[in-house]
Amino acid sequence: NAGVTQTPKFQVLKTGQSMTLQCAQDMNHEYMSWYRQDPGMGLRLIHYSVGAGITDQGEVPNGYNVSRSTTEDFPLRLLSAAPSQTSVYFCASTLGTETHTEAFFGQGTRLTVV
Amino acid sequence: GQQVMQIPQYQHVQEGEDFTTYCNSSTTLSNIQWYKQRPGGHPVFLIQLVKSGEVKKQKRLTFQFGEAKKNSSLHITATQTTDVGTYFCAGRGLNDYKLSFGAGTTVTVRA
Repeated sequence: NAGVTQTPKFQVLKTGQSMTLQCAQDMNHEYMSWYRQDPGMGLRLIHYSVGAGITDQGEVPNGYNVSRSTTEDFPLRLLSAAPSQTSVYFCASTLGTETHTEAFFGQGTRLTVV
Repeated sequence: GQQVMQIPQYQHVQEGEDFTTYCNSSTTLSNIQWYKQRPGGHPVFLIQLVKSGEVKKQKRLTFQFGEAKKNSSLHITATQTTDVGTYFCAGRGLNDYKLSFGAGTTVTVRA
C-alpha cells in the first residue's frame, strides 16, 4: 500500500497564482484533512472531510478550497496565492472508527509564494 | 475552540539524559495522541492514550494521560541521537475526529 500520497513535493508560486495540491489515500479511510505547518505553530487544520461529498472548515480556512468527490482523493486549492501561504502542507487520513483515530500523513508539500 | 499547549518548545539534551515534554488542553479530550517528526520528514504516529490516568511505555518512552483527560506527558529516558526530532501531542475532542496539535517540542541531542 502507498498510504497517503501528496504531489507535488515542492512548488514555487507567484503572488496571485492559483494551484491545486493533490492528496490521495489507498487505505479506504473516511476522514481526511489538510494541515499547514509553520515554525513554532505546530500543525494547524485548514479543512477536513468526514466522507465523500462532505467537507468542513478547520481553524485557518481562508484562501483555500477543498472538495471530496471520492473517498480516495482530497485536493486542496489555493485560489490566489499570497506570501502568507508560504508553508509546508500536509495531508492526512484517518480510518475514523472509535478505536482507530490516528492520522497517517503524506510526505508534505513545501510551498513558497514570492 | 479547543486549544492544546505544549512545552517546552525546544529541548537540548546531553546524550544519556532524560527529559519530559508536557501537553495541556483547554477542554476535556476523548483521547490524546503523540507523533514524532524527524527533520525534513512528516509526522508519524507513536501512540494513543484513551483512559483517564493511562500510562503506556514504548521502550525508553513513557506516555501518560492525566486523570482529568486534559493533560499528557512524554518522558524519554537515556536519550539517544535517534531521538532527535519534533514531538507533537494532538488532542481529539469529544464526539469529534478533529485533532488539535500542540506546537511541538524540538529535541536536539549533544553526543
